[in-house]
Order: sequence, then C-alpha cells, then structure tokens
Amino acid sequence: GESVGLHLPTLSVQEGDNSIINCAYSNSASDYFIWYKQESGKGPQFIIDIRSNMDKRQGQRVTVLLNKTVKHLSLQIAATQPGDSAVYFCAEMWPGGSYIPTFGRGTSLIVHP
Amino acid sequence: EAQVTQNPRYLITVTGKKLTVTCSQNMNHEYMSWYRQDPGLGLRQIYYSMNVEVTDKGDVPEGYKVSRKEKRNFPLILESPSPNQTSLYFCASSFPGAYEQYFGPGTRLTVT
Repeated sequence: GESVGLHLPTLSVQEGDNSIINCAYSNSASDYFIWYKQESGKGPQFIIDIRSNMDKRQGQRVTVLLNKTVKHLSLQIAATQPGDSAVYFCAEMWPGGSYIPTFGRGTSLIVHP
Repeated sequence: EAQVTQNPRYLITVTGKKLTVTCSQNMNHEYMSWYRQDPGLGLRQIYYSMNVEVTDKGDVPEGYKVSRKEKRNFPLILESPSPNQTSLYFCASSFPGAYEQYFGPGTRLTVT
C-alpha cells in the first residue's frame, strides 16, 4: 500500500509493550480533540476523542490524556499488537474555527513481533 | 453500511487534462471536505463544504475546484492538473460541530 510515513517521527516497540504517542496542539481555544489511526493504503479511522472538560478518557486498550496547561495530548495503547502498526494523527478543533479540524503531522508506530 | 466512497482509487494522467474525483457519503452528513496527503506534510485541507451550495477554501485550494449540488456528493475538480498535484487525496464527511470525520479510502493521483 501507499506509504504515508516518510519523514515522520517513528516509535518502535515490541509486541506486548505499552505505547505512548504524543501530540502538541497549537490553539489554546481548542476544546475537542480526536486521535485517528491510518493503516497503510487506507484512510484515517477514528480511535478516540476527548473534550476539554476532561483530562482523561479510556477506550478499549487505548487511553487519551489531555494537558491543557501545556497544550499536549497523548495516546496510550496497552499491550501493543502488530495490528496496531500504523500512522497516528491527532486533530484539534475549536468553536471559533467552526470545528474544522487541524491535523498534526502524525507519528508512525512500528510494532515488532 | 455507513461509508464514504471515492472514485477512482488510482489515476495516472497527463499535465493539463481535466479530471474529476468523485466523493459520495451515505450518512446524511452536512459537512464534507477534501484533503491531500504528501509524505512528511500530513493532511492538508483543500476545500470544505458546510452544506449544499456552501463551499469554502481550505489551506491549499490553488488549482482545485469543488461543487456541492447534492448533500451526498462532493466532487473534486482539477481543471488543468500539474505534476505538483501528484498526491494522495482523501474525502471526508461529518456532522457539523465537534464530531469525528469519516474518511474515504483515498485516491492516488499521478500527473506526468
């Protein structure tokens, strides 16, 4: 499939490890955030979202942490599996921008069996 | 099945030959948008539409046109493609406001 990971930050982990992917966002007015996963040859897919009135949200094997003080998001993946290998993007949205998302450049996660 | 479809998935064309990439969604979403994705640059928005007959420029609109005559369709038009428009293109749709976007599978365009 097409490679979208060239020149991106890369995180390499062993299968079974926990992974942490970080994202710095730009707008202090942003109040809604999404993490997307993009596998090779496919479009981005929603993983988890969080609103600014929360600092943590958990899904199945994934947790998003939000630190508004330093404008930082992180995505934690527990017990990482080879199927988690993909590029991960964060997106920020704010009401003054009509909630049109601004995407980060992405991080390439490589999981070694 | 809820989905965003794009056609064609792959296209090789020559400089100056007009082309259209179609996008259709079956989720009754008001908001639709087009992105291009280039290595190391992430997703850059080309155009977006908040509803039928309402379109606006994104970050990189030069060389592209769009139309939104029906809610479900949002075609991307390249009137005179150039090699610098070689890229991977994604269409996306969502409800307006703080909601996730649903992305199509992508169209790989090569302009020679």
